Amino acid sequence: GAVVSQHPSRVICKSGTSVKIECRSLDFQATTMFWYRQFPKQSLMLMATSNEGSKATYEQGVEKDKFLINHASLTLSTLTVTSAHPEDSSFYICSAWVAGGPGEQFFGPGTRLTVL
Amino acid sequence: QQPVQSPQAVILREGEDAVINCSSSKALYSVHWYRQKHGEAPVFLMILLKGGEQKGHEKISASFNEKKQQSSLYLTASQLSYSGTYFCGTEGGNEKLTFGTGTRLTIIP
Repeated sequence: GAVVSQHPSRVICKSGTSVKIECRSLDFQATTMFWYRQFPKQSLMLMATSNEGSKATYEQGVEKDKFLINHASLTLSTLTVTSAHPEDSSFYICSAWVAGGPGEQFFGPGTRLTVL
Repeated sequence: QQPVQSPQAVILREGEDAVINCSSSKALYSVHWYRQKHGEAPVFLMILLKGGEQKGHEKISASFNEKKQQSSLYLTASQLSYSGTYFCGTEGGNEKLTFGTGTRLTIIP
């Protein structure tokens, strides 16, 4: 199956700093990637859809100026959490569709963000 | 709105069967099922497309009733490795997945 990687797997930062998370499709091209956030013991919540070469589309209630998404190439999308605060601490997961495939979404291993 | 899963949690002895239900308030194009272990990303189990299909994957199978906007996941002769939280992901034709509330499955020896 297709492989999606994320980096870093864990990050701890101070309140007020920015953190960048990378999502890469390793063996396929992804014109669309998705970013999810998952709080402990909760479900995955879609934050935004990342589109290669155009602006990301954000779900209702997600601040686009706080969660900056850049999809610079067909294999890389980045999520930058700006001015992070403790309430941003969460598990961030990206995923991607394989174009022309059966519709399966492939997930990255996730990034655990802890803001002190 | 988020699909509702039932039950919220279930404990089984190894070898027992379980059914996990997923109910949506919206029309569905496809339903995806995932299993997530603690601290890890979800792992894809199967996808069902509209048309009322049923699918099987080893001892795990699923059905999709498009009219009722429901899907069920069937786990037979459960193994210890089946433990985890199961999520359905529903898709309404726009390629976005909306994940269900989750069902925590614990298998005990």
